Amino acid sequence: QQQVKQSPQSLIVQKGGISIINCAYENTAFDYFPWYQQFPGKGPALLIAIRPDVSEKKEGRFTISFNKSAKQFSLHIMDSQPGDSATYFCAASIRDSSYKLIFGSGTRLLVRP
Amino acid sequence: NAGVTQTPKFQVLKTGQSMTLQCAQDMNHEYMSWYRQDPGMGLRLIHYSVGAGITDQGEVPNGYNVSRSTTEDFPLRLLSAAPSQTSVYFCASNLRAGNTEAFFGQGTRLTVV
Repeated sequence: QQQVKQSPQSLIVQKGGISIINCAYENTAFDYFPWYQQFPGKGPALLIAIRPDVSEKKEGRFTISFNKSAKQFSLHIMDSQPGDSATYFCAASIRDSSYKLIFGSGTRLLVRP
Repeated sequence: NAGVTQTPKFQVLKTGQSMTLQCAQDMNHEYMSWYRQDPGMGLRLIHYSVGAGITDQGEVPNGYNVSRSTTEDFPLRLLSAAPSQTSVYFCASNLRAGNTEAFFGQGTRLTVV
């Protein structure tokens, strides 16, 4: 059962453009929403994360927008650069004793020079 | 610090063989987990551990065993390899269970023929 749905599967953006990746979740008990970035041959690495008590979080060119009522959140990459070309995963978790981090299916981003 | 170290990086198994994927972390993290990554399916949680001596099942535990005898090590055992277990396996560690950053290893690419 896919608890976190991610789209699009792949994305091509010109250098300097805005990349937008969307995720939707089902479980209203989720209370932590991280985004991970993965380069080929490497493990994922935390990019940015948000909790549901805020609607937006920005770190440099990366912004998470969060819509609790719609159960959706998205990653915006401003001024996209070729070095941003990677696979991006959204995820969600519940902060309890078992703590399971559930990932979306991933978006492969290509930023053309 | 080495972070999370996985061995081997590549492995080819014959159907029915068993093997152990090794994972070690040197950050004194309480929480460790194993994921498998398949195209179009993101990362799926196999097993996790909230501390030494404690393990539990994730989303896709069948065919895999784990143990956590020390804080540092969290090996994943394939009991009788099947072609459906062909995947890239990632080990991750978090400071503790809960909404903290997951640090991933470099991955093990496993092919079962």
